[in-house]
Amino acid sequence: KQEVTQIPAALSVPEGENLVLNCSFTDSAIYNLQWFRQDPGKGLTSLLLIQSSQREQTSGRLNASLDKSSGRSTLYIAASQPGDSATYLCAVTTSGTYKYIFGTGTRLKVLA
Amino acid sequence: DAGVIQSPRHEVTEMGQEVTLRCKPISGHDYLFWYRQTMMRGLELLIYFNNNVPIDDSGMPEDRFSAKMPNASFSTLKIQPSEPRDSAVYFCASSPDRGSETEAFFGQGTRLTVV
Repeated sequence: KQEVTQIPAALSVPEGENLVLNCSFTDSAIYNLQWFRQDPGKGLTSLLLIQSSQREQTSGRLNASLDKSSGRSTLYIAASQPGDSATYLCAVTTSGTYKYIFGTGTRLKVLA
Repeated sequence: DAGVIQSPRHEVTEMGQEVTLRCKPISGHDYLFWYRQTMMRGLELLIYFNNNVPIDDSGMPEDRFSAKMPNASFSTLKIQPSEPRDSAVYFCASSPDRGSETEAFFGQGTRLTVV
């Protein structure tokens, strides 16, 4: 059974810092991995999708990497801003299905 | 496209009442998912459909929960009878069938409170 874990559970940093969020999964036979952002009381917004054959994806100040063999992904946020404050979730689809299994999330607060 | 649309956004009901949550997926998407989010358990997959057919309902907690997808543009999640422990945010998501490029898109959720 696929299990997804995110570390740390919460993070507070001053504005301008570069930071790394971690996601690990137990079954390396994944189809893809997706990073989401969730603001309080809101839905999930897709940030980046990494296919199983890819090593990384970039969008603006965000860079996500994938190491399938070790069951890990990282989300790197450069030059953090207060507007980046949100909960970040990673989710994986296991090969053969399209269902997304979510991690527990990292609650990020960027201080002005 | 307007994205995945859920209704209502908020629902408050009394224990024992029937609750119906609604979802309109993005046009052309082949997959539809229902998730439940709570502080204790995070995001849990309840059920998902492919081309209107239920594929995996192993996450449906009890027989009190049922889901239907009568056509490609509409799905419902029903709870009958509702209980206070059903209080949560329920999300609907849809995705196209593009293999490893498949990306999930979520609605804004329905916040359910059962008193």
